[in-house]
Amino acid sequence: GQNIDQPTEMTATEGAIVQINCTYQTSGFNGLFWYQQHAGEAPTFLSYNVLDGLEEKGRFSSFLSRSKGYSYLLLKELQMKDSASYLCVSSNSGYALNFGKGTSLLVTP
Amino acid sequence: NAGVTQTPKFRILKIGQSMTLQCTQDMNHNYMYWYRQDPGMGLKLIYYSVGAGITDKGEVPNGYNVSRSTTEDFPLRLELAAPSQTSVYFCASSYTPLGSGGDLRGTQYFGPGTRLLVL
Repeated sequence: GQNIDQPTEMTATEGAIVQINCTYQTSGFNGLFWYQQHAGEAPTFLSYNVLDGLEEKGRFSSFLSRSKGYSYLLLKELQMKDSASYLCVSSNSGYALNFGKGTSLLVTP
Repeated sequence: NAGVTQTPKFRILKIGQSMTLQCTQDMNHNYMYWYRQDPGMGLKLIYYSVGAGITDKGEVPNGYNVSRSTTEDFPLRLELAAPSQTSVYFCASSYTPLGSGGDLRGTQYFGPGTRLLVL
C-alpha cells in the first residue's frame, strides 16, 4: 500500500475545534476518504474528497489539496462522543484503499 | 437494510484448525472486500470481489481463500490457522469500484468485524 501519514494521537477539549492532518502519496490518486472508528467497532464513512477544496458536512469538514498530497479533517464543537480513531484513507490505482494507522482523538471535559 | 453483517463476532482457534468467516450484504453491491486490522496498524486488503464468481488477491492473501457464489455473500476461509492470523477481520462492500470519477457510490461500507484469536 501507499504511505499515509497522520498523527498518532491528539487531545482536545469539549466544545473546541481540532484539525487532523494527513499526507498521502499522489501516484494514481483517485480520492481521499475519512472514516471514524470507535474502539471495537467498524470504520464508518465521514467524508470523501476528489477535487481541491473544502467539503462541509455539519460539524465535520474535510479539505483536499491534490498538488500537495495533503488533506485535513476539521471537527468543530467537539463532543465527548467524538473520541475515536480517525482514519485517513486514499484511493489510488486499483481496487484497494490505502489506510493510515489512524489518529486517536481524545476529547476531554 | 441490515447493511453488511458478519459472523461470528469472536472466535478462538487452535493452530492448524480451519474456519470460515461469513459476510453478507443486502445493498445489492457488486464489490466486496475482506480486510484485516492488526493493533495499531491500518487495514490491509486480503481479497476482493467485483461480482459473483470473480475474486482476486489483495495485499495480504497468504493463508486465506474466498469464494463468491452470490452477490450477497463473500465468505473468507482460513485453512490452517496460524498465530499470525490473530486479528480483527472486516468485510466491506461498495456499489462501484473506487476511481469512478469521484462517484460516492464507490464508498465502502464495513461490517461490525470478527475478532479472531489463534492460540
